[in-house]
Amino acid sequence: GDSVTQMEGPVTLSEEAFLTINCTYTATGYPSLFWYVQYPGEGLQLLLKATKADDKGSNKGFEATYRKETTSFHLEKGSVQVSDSAVYFCALRDSNYQLIWGAGTKLIIKP
Amino acid sequence: NAGVTQTPKFQVLKTGQSMTLQCAQDMNHEYMSWYRQDPGMGLRLIHYSVGAGITDQGEVPNGYNVSRSTTEDFPLRLLSAAPSQTSVYFCASSADRNNSPLHFGNGTRLTVT
Repeated sequence: GDSVTQMEGPVTLSEEAFLTINCTYTATGYPSLFWYVQYPGEGLQLLLKATKADDKGSNKGFEATYRKETTSFHLEKGSVQVSDSAVYFCALRDSNYQLIWGAGTKLIIKP
Repeated sequence: NAGVTQTPKFQVLKTGQSMTLQCAQDMNHEYMSWYRQDPGMGLRLIHYSVGAGITDQGEVPNGYNVSRSTTEDFPLRLLSAAPSQTSVYFCASSADRNNSPLHFGNGTRLTVT
């Protein structure tokens, strides 16, 4: 079946560092891809999405590009802030419209 | 603007007890769902509903029941709690199941002893 694999955390960075969180997927067809973020004590919220190959999703300085050839959707940000500390989830929407989730990557930003 | 409201925030049960986790949304969303979140496993879908009167099973439905008598409410019932049901539970809704983003509640942390 479809699956999503994320890099294990936690990822610890200093403020203003460059961030990459890797996400790869296996799926039949061409799923939509998503990044959700979960701040401490809260539910998840959509960060960005891409619905077809070569689409770039972006929001709040974060970006991710839908790469069909490498089946990847890596999350990047040029300069992280302490407020970006959270758990980040990569997900795909399968052919039955269900979301398949990665395990989540905890990001810790130190001042 | 309440969004998705879950109650309670925390709950401790003894094995064999039953309880209902409440979920309500005020966005007139047709699609609602329940997930459980366990360390290292991401989110797993328990049950979902595409509209009032319609429910279906997700990936891990055993031990849980749901009903959808109104568009707003989607309660999750644990029939006989087991330690394996210790988890954080999230309710989520969206305008539709195929294109719209999910809106999540803040979660219920359940411990079964």
